[in-house]
Parts: sequence; C-alpha cells; structure tokens
Amino acid sequence: QKEVEQNSGPLSVPEGAIASLNCTYSDRGSQSFFWYRQYSGKSPELIMFIYSNGDKEDGRFTAQLNKASQYVSLLIRDSQPSDSATYLCAVNGGSQGNLIFGKGTKLSVKP
Amino acid sequence: EPEVTQTPSHQVTQMGQEVILRCVPISNHLYFYWYRQILGQKVEFLVSFYNNEISEKSEIFDDQFSVERPDGSNFTLKIRSTKLEDSAMYFCASSEAGTSGRKFFGPGTRLTVL
Repeated sequence: QKEVEQNSGPLSVPEGAIASLNCTYSDRGSQSFFWYRQYSGKSPELIMFIYSNGDKEDGRFTAQLNKASQYVSLLIRDSQPSDSATYLCAVNGGSQGNLIFGKGTKLSVKP
Repeated sequence: EPEVTQTPSHQVTQMGQEVILRCVPISNHLYFYWYRQILGQKVEFLVSFYNNEISEKSEIFDDQFSVERPDGSNFTLKIRSTKLEDSAMYFCASSEAGTSGRKFFGPGTRLTVL
C-alpha cells in the first residue's frame, strides 16, 4: 500500500516568517511530487510540482525533493495570513498519473 | 485561465437513489480523474480515464460507480445506488499528461446522502 505521510499540525508561524512543511512517501519508484493548497470547503489548488532531486523555486515557494530519503518539503517565505490553509502533499501513484495524497498539514499564519 | 468546472455544486439525495455528477475538464487535457474527500479526511483517488476508457481505479470504485465521457467535453461519475457513506466532496481533475502532468481540480460537488 503506497502511503504519503504528513504532520497534521497545526503549524503556526508569525507573519513574515518561513513556514516549512514536510512529507515522506513510501514508494521508492514515485517520480512526480505535488503540493496543493486547500482552503476550508474548497478544492485543492496546485502550487508546486517537482520531479528532480534538489530545489525548485517559484516566487515565495520552494519545493525540495530528496529521493534517497523519500522526502519532499515545501518552504513558504515571507508567510502571509492569506497563506493560512491546509497544504496537501501528493505523489503519483500509478502509470496514468493518479495521485496519492497525504492528510495535509494545517498552516496558520498569525498577523 | 482555463479551469475545470463541475455541476451541481451541491447534491442532496436519498439513500438508494442514483446520482450523476458532471465535470467539464480543461479542453486540451487528455487524462481525467475523479477523487473524493470525506469531511475531515484525506483526498482519495477513485478512477482515472484516458482514451475513452478507465485506465486505473481504486478499491473504492466498485460496481456501484461508473464513469462516462458522453461527448467531447463532459465527464460524468454515476453512483447507481447511493449509501450514507457516499456522502463526501467529489472532485474532478484533468491533466495534459499522465504521470508527469499537472493535475488541476474542479471546485467539487458536495454529495449529501440522507
């Protein structure tokens, strides 16, 4: 059974700080990794994807992938109250691209 | 920016009734998915659809479920005889590619089974 694990939080950071979200996955053959943001009652919104080891930056977001450790993380710099949401880590689970999701980490950014 | 749309936004039904949830994927996407999220739980994969057929399905996707792409734009999920435990948010997603493709989600349909 392929699993994706996340700390459920809540993770609380002050406005302007760096938020660090972590995720581990069980299937060493996984190739594609995604971070989604989900506001309460809304659908997942794709914010980052990464396929290769190392870092990938997009604006205030940086995704980090370490396939040897089966670990993927998301850093949010200069956190804003509007970043308060649940962050879902997802890993491709099959040849047709279906995703396996973690339970999500709830982030709270305090003004 | 193109987006996935879903109708209805909320569906209330009686146990044992059939429901059809509708989705319009992003127009140039080739891979289509249904996921569900029971309140307070994680997003779970149901089924993927490619080249007019089911390509993968999860254990959740039993004989009560079916999917169809009746025309060039719509993608539907049918639940034949709903159960209380089918109450959840159902999300449609689409992607331009399989494994490496970015998956974009629709706003979801909240299904309530009474």
